[in-house]
Parts: sequence; C-alpha cells; structure tokens
Amino acid sequence: SQKIEQNSEALNIQEGKTATLTCNYTNYSPAYLQWYRQDPGRGPVFLLLIRENEKEKRKERLKVTFDTTLKQSLFHITASQPADSATYLCALDPAEYSGAGSYQLTFGKGTKLSVIP
Amino acid sequence: DAGVTQSPTHLIKTRGQQVTLRCSPKSGHDTVSWYQQALGQGPQFIFQYYEEEERQRGNFPDRFSGHQFPNYSSELNVNALLLGDSALYLCASSFGTADNEQFFGPGTRLTVL
Repeated sequence: SQKIEQNSEALNIQEGKTATLTCNYTNYSPAYLQWYRQDPGRGPVFLLLIRENEKEKRKERLKVTFDTTLKQSLFHITASQPADSATYLCALDPAEYSGAGSYQLTFGKGTKLSVIP
Repeated sequence: DAGVTQSPTHLIKTRGQQVTLRCSPKSGHDTVSWYQQALGQGPQFIFQYYEEEERQRGNFPDRFSGHQFPNYSSELNVNALLLGDSALYLCASSFGTADNEQFFGPGTRLTVL
C-alpha cells in the first residue's frame, strides 16, 4: 500500500543546532515533494517544493533534499530558533508514476519540532 | 490581500445534520482544494475545484460534495453528519498547474455531537 512516514511524531533540539526531519514514502513515484509548516489551530504554510530531478533546494536557513532512489526527503533547519517550533508536514504528488500528474497532495502526519532555548 | 478566508471559524452540529463551509481563495487564484484534518493527522484531500468543476476527488463518500462559483469561491457540503466527521476542514487555493504551492486558510473546526 502507499505510505508516507515522517521520522518521528516529536523532535526536541537545542537552540542553535540543526534540526533534521525525515520523510519516507513507499509505492509512490512523485514528480515533486513539498514541505509545509503548521502552527496550532492554523492552516499549513508552504515552505519549499523540490522536484524529482532536483537533489537539493535551499531557502534562507532551510534546506531540502530529495532522493528518489531511497524514496526519501530530508528537511533541515540550520541555526534553529524557538520561533521554529511548529509541526512540519511533508506532502507529495501521489501519482502512480512520474509524469502522471495529480492535482492533489498527500500529506504525512507531520513532525512536531520543539526548539529549546 | 486577505489571503484565503474561511467561514465559519467553529461549528457544532449533531449527528445526521448537514453543514456548509465556505472558502474565498487568495486573489488571482482559480483553484480551490478542500482537506480534512483529524487531530494529530496530516490533511486528507477531499476534492479540488477548477473552472467550477470537480477536477479530482479523494477517497471520501458522496456525503461530501462541493461547489465553485464564478468568482472562484467555494463551498463544501457534508450531509448526514457522523461523529467521525469532526475535524478541521481546510481550504487551499492555488493557480494553474498541479505543482504550485497551496495557500491554506485558517480552517473551520467542525464538532459533531
């Protein structure tokens, strides 16, 4: 069956360290993968999109990698701050094969990140 | 630009009732998607509307229906409410192609008693 797994439900790290969140998927061949941030009681906010032919994408303190062989994406926040505390969701295009195209996003359950001062 | 707006913010209904949730997309966006998010879960895709037609549907029963108006705003209707329909209902808007980022509204918290 198709599945998206995010490495842990909760991750605690010390301020200033790099947070690394993992998103693994099975039985998908997504053309792209997206990462979102969600604060309690709010809708998700888009952070980054990475396509299947891209290995890495950066935006300020954020970095995303995408390994279609391992079927994994890693999301890094460098020099983490307490304001980075939130739930981070990965989402992908649930196409059965690359290029099939799908207008929906399939989300993982999310990882709740807590940055401790 | 107000971004994506949703109404109402909160709603309490009883089993068997019907509910209508509303969404106004971000200015310039022509596509609206609806998601259901249960507590502790990621959003689950319900359906997407484009050019006033349902373009794609997730694994939800026919009790869930929707509509998109000429001004791109949208409604989500749920009939014969069940306790399991209690969730945060999120509307997301986007423009054009499938891989564009989605802009989410704040959601409507539906509680079914």
